[in-house]
Amino acid sequence: AQSVAQPEDQVNVAEGNPLTVKCTYSVSGNPYLFWYVQYPNRGLQFLLKYITGDNLVKGSYGFEAEFNKSQTSFHLKKPSALVSDSALYFCAVRGQSGGSYIPTFGRGTSLIVHP
Amino acid sequence: DTAVSQTPKYLVTQMGNDKSIKCEQNLGHDTMYWYKQDSKKFLKIMFSYNNKELIINETVPNRFSPKSPDKAHLNLHINSLELGDSAVYFCASSQDTGRNQPQHFGDGTRLSIL
Repeated sequence: AQSVAQPEDQVNVAEGNPLTVKCTYSVSGNPYLFWYVQYPNRGLQFLLKYITGDNLVKGSYGFEAEFNKSQTSFHLKKPSALVSDSALYFCAVRGQSGGSYIPTFGRGTSLIVHP
Repeated sequence: DTAVSQTPKYLVTQMGNDKSIKCEQNLGHDTMYWYKQDSKKFLKIMFSYNNKELIINETVPNRFSPKSPDKAHLNLHINSLELGDSAVYFCASSQDTGRNQPQHFGDGTRLSIL
């Protein structure tokens, strides 16, 4: 069975500082990994994905993620945090279940960027 | 120009009632999904349809019945509502069923059972 772990319920960072939101995964075969962001009272928005190729993936709003196969991790990063980045972040993996690719989400990490 | 739209946005009703939530996407996608997000923000897939055909059914009670009249619409009907059904229900779509396809989410329907 596939799974995603986001070990931190909350991450606090000062505006202008770099941020990291952690994600580790477990899946059979090659991992297909995604990051989404959820603002209050809104649906999830796609940020970036890793399918294959370069271990550093660039996405929307200046976010990037680093894939590490040996550590089974896919951490989300941004060099300089903005107050507007404060939101709930979800890591997800898609693995195969029968003939379908089931998406599994982590429990989410609340990012709080302080002015 | 909303890509995935759900109605209603809020739904407050009493235990035992039957209610429906509607979802429409104008992205031309083939695949649609229903998710449940509980009070702790945990997101769990319930169903997925591809071109009107059910492809994912994740151990959801029979009281929940999805229906897809065409590939742009996926509705969710819930019979005999229970307190534990209180949650936010999200509709989503993706281009197709491919593993590499990101999902596009609606803004959710907040269901409260009294």
